Amino acid sequence: SQKIEQNSEALNIQEGKTATLTCNYTNYSPAYLQWYRQDPGRGPVFLLLIRENEKEKRKERLKVTFDTTLKQSLFHITASQPADSATYLCALEGGEYGNKLVFGAGTILRVKS
Amino acid sequence: NAGVMQNPRHLVRRRGQEARLRCSPMKGHSHVYWYRQLPEEGLKFMVYLQKENIIDESGMPKERFSAEFPKEGPSILRIQQVVRGDSAAYFCASSPFGFGVKNIQYFGAGTRLSVL
Repeated sequence: SQKIEQNSEALNIQEGKTATLTCNYTNYSPAYLQWYRQDPGRGPVFLLLIRENEKEKRKERLKVTFDTTLKQSLFHITASQPADSATYLCALEGGEYGNKLVFGAGTILRVKS
Repeated sequence: NAGVMQNPRHLVRRRGQEARLRCSPMKGHSHVYWYRQLPEEGLKFMVYLQKENIIDESGMPKERFSAEFPKEGPSILRIQQVVRGDSAAYFCASSPFGFGVKNIQYFGAGTRLSVL
């Protein structure tokens, strides 16, 4: 069965450093992979989308990579700020996942000043 | 341009009662998704609807749960005879396109259901 794994432990980093979050999946290869940010008590907010034939996507301080051989996506936040503290969710769509988003459990990021 | 509106934000029900959760998608969006989230867990897909049609309900429990998205009005997620295990945050999302590169989903703030 499909399985999506994100770091279950919170990631604590110092302000100004680069945060790297991991999303691994097994079995099925998605056509698209998305990253969302979720703050406590709120709904997720879309950040970036990457297709299976793209290796990297950037948006301001954010960068996403997608390696279909390793079945892994990495999400980077450069020059991190305390305001980046949140839970980050990866979501897969397409291929055997069908026409819906399948979410990982998320990784909590804490950026300390 | 209002975002996805969900109401109520908090809903308390006793076991055996019915819960009705409402979701108004963003203007111009005809695709609606419902998700359930338990504490420290990810979002679990429940159902995908377009106007007047259920496209994918593979994540919906077979009993007590139903969803609709009528031609006029909000989408409704209905839970009959609630049990304590139904306590969770329920999120609605809408999208202008149902699949693919443009299937970016816009989420509401959620409804937190507590079953006593």
